[in-house]
Amino acid sequence: KAGVTQTPRYLIKTRGQQVTLSCSPISGHRSVSWYQQTPGQGLQFLFEYFSETQRNKGNFPGRFSGRQFSNSRSEMNVSTLELGDSALYLCASRTQISGSAYEQYFGPGTRLTVT
Amino acid sequence: DAKTTQPNSMESNEEEPVHLPCNHSTISGTDYIHWYRQLPSQGPEYVIHGLTSNVNNRMASLAIAEDRKSSTLILHRATLRDAAVYYCILRLIQGAQKLVFGQGTRLTINP
Repeated sequence: KAGVTQTPRYLIKTRGQQVTLSCSPISGHRSVSWYQQTPGQGLQFLFEYFSETQRNKGNFPGRFSGRQFSNSRSEMNVSTLELGDSALYLCASRTQISGSAYEQYFGPGTRLTVT
Repeated sequence: DAKTTQPNSMESNEEEPVHLPCNHSTISGTDYIHWYRQLPSQGPEYVIHGLTSNVNNRMASLAIAEDRKSSTLILHRATLRDAAVYYCILRLIQGAQKLVFGQGTRLTINP
C-alpha cells in the first residue's frame, strides 16, 4: 500500500503571496490532519478533515485553511504569507475519526520557505 | 490538553536496551498514551500506544506505571536506525482527536 504523499516537497514563496499544499492519504483512509513543524514551536496541529468536513481545528489564524475532496485528498492553503510561516507542513491520515485505537500515518512533509 | 514531560536528549550504545521516560502527572482516565518518533528528514512515525497495561509490539514495549502518571518506552536492542526524536503524547479516547506533540527526546545511538 502506498504511503501518504505530499506535493510539492519543497516550495519557496514571497511574503504576501498565497500557497496551496496537497496531500493524498493512504488508500482507504478517510481522515486527514495537517501539522506545522518549526524549530521554535515544534509540531503543532492545524486541522483535521473527515468525509470532507473539518472536524477539529488548532490555534492558527484564519489565513490557514483547508479542504478535503470526496476521494479523501486534502489541500491546505495559506494566504498572505508571512516570514513566520516558513516551516515543514506535515499531513497525516488514519482510517477513522474516533475509537479507542488508531495510528496516524505521516507523509514526508512540504518544506515551505517564505522570503 | 494534558502535558507530558520528557528529557531533551538521551544517548545509548548500539545493541543495548534504551529506556525513554515520560511523565504525565495530569493524565486523566480517558487519555491514551501514544509514542511517535521522527527520524531525520522524515515525518513522525507511530511506535506504540497503551491505556493501562504494558504493551509490546515489533518495534518496542511500553511500560505504564500503576498510577499512570508516567510511562517508559523500551527499545530492547537499539540500532543506529533508532536515532530519532521520540514523542510521548496523550490522546483523549473521545472528543478532540488531535495529537499534541511536546518537544520530545532526541535519542543518539553510538556505534
